[in-house]
Amino acid sequence: EDKVVQSPLSLVVHEGDTVTLNCSYEVTNFRSLLWYKQEKKAPTFLFMLTSSGIEKKSGRLSSILDKKELFSILNITATQTGDSAVYLCAGYNTNAGKSTFGDGTTLTVKP
Amino acid sequence: NAGVMQNPRHLVRRRGQEARLRCSPMKGHSHVYWYRQLPEEGLKFMVYLQKENIIDESGMPKERFSAEFPKEGPSILRIQQVVRGDSAAYFCASSPRDPGTFTEAFFGQGTRLTVV
Repeated sequence: EDKVVQSPLSLVVHEGDTVTLNCSYEVTNFRSLLWYKQEKKAPTFLFMLTSSGIEKKSGRLSSILDKKELFSILNITATQTGDSAVYLCAGYNTNAGKSTFGDGTTLTVKP
Repeated sequence: NAGVMQNPRHLVRRRGQEARLRCSPMKGHSHVYWYRQLPEEGLKFMVYLQKENIIDESGMPKERFSAEFPKEGPSILRIQQVVRGDSAAYFCASSPRDPGTFTEAFFGQGTRLTVV
């Protein structure tokens, strides 16, 4: 059975801090690792990672995948209160055609 | 995100009633996924459907739950004889995935089911 584990489960930081969120996966027929941000509504897509070692960036957010060690990290620099959310990662099983999600990391950024 | 439409947004049902949740995928998307999110938990896969076909229902409880995606109209997740433990947010996602190609799934806003 596919499994995705995120850590930490929750994190409280102050504005301006840098955070690193972790995601490890055991997904058969693995194709991609996806990151989503969820703010009390639908998850919104952040990144899709398919290749090891290639960092994807979007503003203050960046993410990288290690397919040998089966994990990904999501970095957020210079955090802002608007970054407060649950961050979900998911591993996509290409044969099954579905994603398995982790339980999420709840990030709280205090002013 | 706005392209995947779920309704209703909020649904209150008494124990024993039926809940019917609807999902209209984004235009051009023929793959639909239903996920359930319990409080303080991540999204748990329930069922994956293509038009008129259930591809994978391994995450769906064997009893009381059913899903369909007819040729015309939205996908429906049906929960019969609801119990308090069914209270959760139910998310639908769609993708245009073709075999061998993958793009991220786009999520609807979810239906929050409360069983009283």
